[in-house]
Amino acid sequence: NAGVMQNPRHLVRRRGQEARLRCSPVKGHSHVYWYRQLPEEGLKFMVYLQKENIIDESGMPKERFSAEFPKEGPSILRIQQVVRGDSAAYFCASSPFPSGGTYKETQYFGPGTRLLVL
Amino acid sequence: TQLLEQSPQFLSIQEGENLTVYCNSSSVFSSLQWYRQEPGEGPVLLVTVVTGGEVKKLKRLTFQFGDARKDSSLHITAAQPGDTGLYLCAGPSGGSYIPTFGRGTSLIVHP
Repeated sequence: NAGVMQNPRHLVRRRGQEARLRCSPVKGHSHVYWYRQLPEEGLKFMVYLQKENIIDESGMPKERFSAEFPKEGPSILRIQQVVRGDSAAYFCASSPFPSGGTYKETQYFGPGTRLLVL
Repeated sequence: TQLLEQSPQFLSIQEGENLTVYCNSSSVFSSLQWYRQEPGEGPVLLVTVVTGGEVKKLKRLTFQFGDARKDSSLHITAAQPGDTGLYLCAGPSGGSYIPTFGRGTSLIVHP
């Protein structure tokens, strides 16, 4: 009964390289959320995806960042041409249904990927 | 400006002490959730409070949702080293289904 899996757990990139972060949701969950956490800022929502669709990307920078959740395989958060300010912990969460405003459905978080940009 | 303000930001206590941490907002929330996050891990849901004035207990942890659904508190009785972690409150505001998180209270319980 695996929970949310994220890999890699730690990722080091040099400025200008690409970072690809993977998230496998809980089996049967079709809703995935990505968050970024900085020590002094807390968890910030980035993007919400369902299978093959981006539902809400209001928290994701327009430049260099993209996300996908294909029909088969994990969700991918991709950061192109990384800069030092991208260094953070990136968390993925999944749920079986959308929260729907009443927050009936729990989001289950993965262990995160810690990205360090040198 | 943080939609959810958590206080205190840091708390360092001895095993056996009691403590209360707070989550406050000027906005009304349909529900609030409390999470605990241990170093190097993701947040783990502790509880969801939905009704104004609601009190929920989870062993030594007592969660309360304010009558106006704008604030919440978490009280821990006889804290143990295993309670160490970052306590986060979160909730969807307005019509959004996306939760807003507070910055958290970092708790250290010394043996």
